[in-house]
Amino acid sequence: GESVGLHLPTLSVQEGDNSIINCAYSNSASDYFIWYKQESGKGPQFIIDIRSNMDKRQGQRVTVLLNKTVKHLSLQIAATQPGDSAVYFCAENSGGYQKVTFGTGTKLQVIP
Amino acid sequence: NAGVMQNPRHLVRRRGQEARLRCSPMKGHSHVYWYRQLPEEGLKFMVYLQKENIIDESGMPKERFSAEFPKEGPSILRIQQVVRGDSAAYFCASSPSIAGLEKTQYFGPGTRLLVL
Repeated sequence: GESVGLHLPTLSVQEGDNSIINCAYSNSASDYFIWYKQESGKGPQFIIDIRSNMDKRQGQRVTVLLNKTVKHLSLQIAATQPGDSAVYFCAENSGGYQKVTFGTGTKLQVIP
Repeated sequence: NAGVMQNPRHLVRRRGQEARLRCSPMKGHSHVYWYRQLPEEGLKFMVYLQKENIIDESGMPKERFSAEFPKEGPSILRIQQVVRGDSAAYFCASSPSIAGLEKTQYFGPGTRLLVL
């Protein structure tokens, strides 16, 4: 079936460096993508989203890139901080309503 | 504006008992979604509800699980005759609309269910 997956299960980054978290999706009909951050013991927190008619979207310290040709999504975090340590999920939606399919997740560890 | 609220945050049940998980969506949100998460895994969609209607329950087990979102009050996820395999974190999310970017879902803190 259709799925969303992540390339790297764990990513360790030095504080102050930039982080790049990657995600591959397989449903070519997906038209909306979301990145969520989940800290230990908490619910997923919306970070940034992008529609399929865009290839880049920027937020505060975060940038999402979408490459529809290879069905690849990435989240870039600038100047990574200890508070960025969490599990990051990409999710996609291809329906008329928000039935979101989550990937496995990437654990980001920020080294002080 | 308060976020999505879930209670209880932690729930311990013995095998065979019933578990009731409650979710109050964000103010102005009429769409509610329930997800289940096992440790070190992603979230699995269970059910999508609007007020008084189940729209999509394709991710919910056919037996022992039920969900409702009444006209008044919170959404309830009910698990009857719980088994150890039901132990997981259950997250509720809500959204204001299904059109455009307003279909972004916002999540509650979750209920951690432990079945002994």
